[in-house]
Amino acid sequence: ETGVTQSPTHLIKTRGQQVTLRCSSQSGHNTVSWYQQALGQGPQFIFQYYREEENGRGNFPPRFSGLQFPNYSSELNVNALELDDSALYLCASSLAGGRSEQFFGPGTRLTVL
Amino acid sequence: KNEVEQSPQNLTAQEGEFITINCSYSVGISALHWLQQHPGGGIVSLFMLSSGKKKHGRLIATINIQEKHSSLHITASHPRDSAVYICAVRLTSGTYKYIFGTGTRLKVLA
Repeated sequence: ETGVTQSPTHLIKTRGQQVTLRCSSQSGHNTVSWYQQALGQGPQFIFQYYREEENGRGNFPPRFSGLQFPNYSSELNVNALELDDSALYLCASSLAGGRSEQFFGPGTRLTVL
Repeated sequence: KNEVEQSPQNLTAQEGEFITINCSYSVGISALHWLQQHPGGGIVSLFMLSSGKKKHGRLIATINIQEKHSSLHITASHPRDSAVYICAVRLTSGTYKYIFGTGTRLKVLA
């Protein structure tokens, strides 16, 4: 059984650029949640995908968007990057629309210059 | 005021000490998670609770739904327990939204 993986590990972008982060869920999990964690803060919920549909969203603007694929892997896309988007982006997979325990990936550290 | 608050924010303990980390929340929840985050960012889920108490090795988590409070206890603490411990709640609203505390930074000295 493979755990949750994320790519890339680190990424540096400049303001205005677009970025795509990837997450492969744990085997058998059909739900992926994305979180943003700024330095020294707790994670903030961005959104959750369940069976390829968005299943909940936090207080993030529309330039944060996502996709979930038939194999339940997921992408987080951020357009028009801003300096404040610099953070650790975590994904977590679970079963049953998030009603079960979540398993977190190692995160992608994004730096926006 | 944050919807999920943890105390203390920072904690230094000697090896072997009994440690308690507290989490209070002000919203309706369907579950509460305790997470452990090591330097570098990786997060490990320790417990998911909706009532009562759970134990895993030297870790014990309790929740009091009426008082909207949860505690994480570490018995016989060890330097490898040094990490940030985060409390996260899943709201009872229709969508599965989570709110996280800002974490308790624990350092256990040998």
